[in-house]
Amino acid sequence: AQKVTQAQTEISVVEKEDVTLDCVYETRDTTYYLFWYKQPPSGELVFLIRRNSFDEQNEISGRYSWNFQKSTSSFNFTITASQVVDSAVYFCALIPSNFGNEKLTFGTGTRLTIIP
Amino acid sequence: SAVISQKPSRDICQRGTSLTIQCQVDSQVTMMFWYRQQPGQSLTLIATANQGSEATYESGFVIDKFPISRPNLTFSTLTVSNMSPEDSSIYLCSVEEYGPADTQYFGPGTRLTVL
Repeated sequence: AQKVTQAQTEISVVEKEDVTLDCVYETRDTTYYLFWYKQPPSGELVFLIRRNSFDEQNEISGRYSWNFQKSTSSFNFTITASQVVDSAVYFCALIPSNFGNEKLTFGTGTRLTIIP
Repeated sequence: SAVISQKPSRDICQRGTSLTIQCQVDSQVTMMFWYRQQPGQSLTLIATANQGSEATYESGFVIDKFPISRPNLTFSTLTVSNMSPEDSSIYLCSVEEYGPADTQYFGPGTRLTVL
């Protein structure tokens, strides 16, 4: 069984500060995929990134960056120079590479508030 | 990525009634999923809807309460039957796209309030 833990329930930072959202996962599968999704107040779930278990390269996309460390089973998400529009609930998720039986396991989410 | 729409976007319903939520995708997809997100909670998978076969329900969800249809590769419906206030949630459909980046994409959600 899979498990995703987002220990930070809520985070508040002042605009322009950097913030890191933590994600720790558990799985017995050797091949799996990790995701981050953003859920703004409107409720829609927006896909941000997908990372497979064989690719431990960090990724940067604009102000967003992700740090995947297999040794610590973590997939952390950093927002640089935060903006008010970044305020949302962020979910980390995992899916095993078992085509035909894919089920996303979500963490409990981290509510991020950016204070203007 | 696929463009997913849901109807209605929100509704307020009376206890004991039923609501059918529609999910439309702009391309053909093999797998569609229905999730429930109770207030302040994470997402919970209700069922997997596959075209041409019965939906596969997760533990704790039954077909009588959440009947699902999947008449073709671009459309699915979820019915919430005999509603109670505990059914107040956001209901989201998602689709899985295969290719260089196999990923589940989500619809905008249906925000349901049961009085």
